[in-house]
Amino acid sequence: GQQVMQIPQYQHVQEGEDFTTYCNSSTTLSNIQWYKQRPGGHPVFLIQLVKSGEVKKQKRLTFQFGEAKKNSSLHITATQTTDVGTYFCIPGGANNLFFGTGTRLTVIP
Amino acid sequence: SQTIHQWPATLVQPVGSPLSLECTVEGTSNPNLYWYRQAAGRGLQLLFYSVGIGQISSEVPQNLSASRPQDRQFILSSKKLLLSDSGFYLCAWSLAGFSGANVLTFGAGSRLTVL
Repeated sequence: GQQVMQIPQYQHVQEGEDFTTYCNSSTTLSNIQWYKQRPGGHPVFLIQLVKSGEVKKQKRLTFQFGEAKKNSSLHITATQTTDVGTYFCIPGGANNLFFGTGTRLTVIP
Repeated sequence: SQTIHQWPATLVQPVGSPLSLECTVEGTSNPNLYWYRQAAGRGLQLLFYSVGIGQISSEVPQNLSASRPQDRQFILSSKKLLLSDSGFYLCAWSLAGFSGANVLTFGAGSRLTVL
């Protein structure tokens, strides 16, 4: 199955700072999905991007899909302690869905 | 609405003992079913997935096995646990087919400690 590289692996930010995590693929993706896993919890689906250049917003979260459909990013504006967790991006569109290590976000109050 | 149940939530097992984790989905038919494992502080490792009754695909060789005896039931088993089997086991389901909309919905997870 297709896999993506996600960076950074860890990120510590002060509350109120912005945060961005990036996903990169060597191949063109049909779509990409983002999930969030709170500490001790299970991953929860956030959003799916399908179209080239697509940008979607969920309150303080902005998701982008690259023009070439090979990369994606998640940007959080003015982080809050509730944003703590691990964010995963995975290529969708296949029966076997592979998660990478994700980006673990720590927000310092 | 669809719901997914996974049990037990936590268990502590001795090395060499058997294992059985169960997952059931309600409110949908013929779902794709998945078992993932997450070691402490690590990413999710896909163990098995199933597109139908009796159809199991294994992604990683190991001493674990999976079965799907009914459409919405997925079981993860081991005959003899190893220390390295410790981790957080997550069951998930998605809609069947290759529509590109295979969004995963996860169960609450089963935390296994092998001593």
